[in-house]
Amino acid sequence: GAVVSQHPSWVICKSGTSVKIECRSLDFQATTMFWYRQFPKQSLMLMATSNEGSKATYEQGVEKDKFLINHASLTLSTLTVTSAHPEDSSFYICSAPGGRGNYGYTFGSGTRLTVV
Amino acid sequence: SQQGEEDPQALSIQEGENATMNCSYKTSINNLQWYRQNSGRGLVHLILIRSNEREKHSGRLRVTLDTSKKSSSLLITASRAADTASYFCAENAGGTSYGKLTFGQGTILTVHP
Repeated sequence: GAVVSQHPSWVICKSGTSVKIECRSLDFQATTMFWYRQFPKQSLMLMATSNEGSKATYEQGVEKDKFLINHASLTLSTLTVTSAHPEDSSFYICSAPGGRGNYGYTFGSGTRLTVV
Repeated sequence: SQQGEEDPQALSIQEGENATMNCSYKTSINNLQWYRQNSGRGLVHLILIRSNEREKHSGRLRVTLDTSKKSSSLLITASRAADTASYFCAENAGGTSYGKLTFGQGTILTVHP
């Protein structure tokens, strides 16, 4: 079945450094990728929508210069958290529509980011 | 972004019992989807119901949709310990089938063996 491979699954970084998270669609083309963040025991909050070959669309309140999104190909979208701070610690998940019958979406397995 | 409400927030049952989770949403939808999330993992798509559908089944899952009340319910029959997870509804209010999803707060289901 359709898979979105997300890496890394977890990362610990120092304050001020940048972290890149990759999501690759396997066996299907992801022209669109949604990026979410999730705090413990909370729901998913949409951060941005990326489309292959164009600029990402960010949700209100999400800093586009801090969360850089690149969607350079039909199978790869990346999220870079720049100059990370402890408050950026969260669970980040990507999702691509399609790849499944009946219009379901395929989610990556998530990345646990801890900034120390 | 607005989020729907789900109830209960937490549900604890015994194996073999049925589990019902409810979801309310605020906008007109193209479709509504239900997802499952095991702790610390990504989401798994369970079932999608379109705005012109009222009920849908998939294995032990049954989903209903009441667009007049802007609500949906997910029923898991004959629950198993392996069903323990968080369950989220997600509304697709876009004009297309692949619009962005807005997630509800989720229900944490615990099934005791």
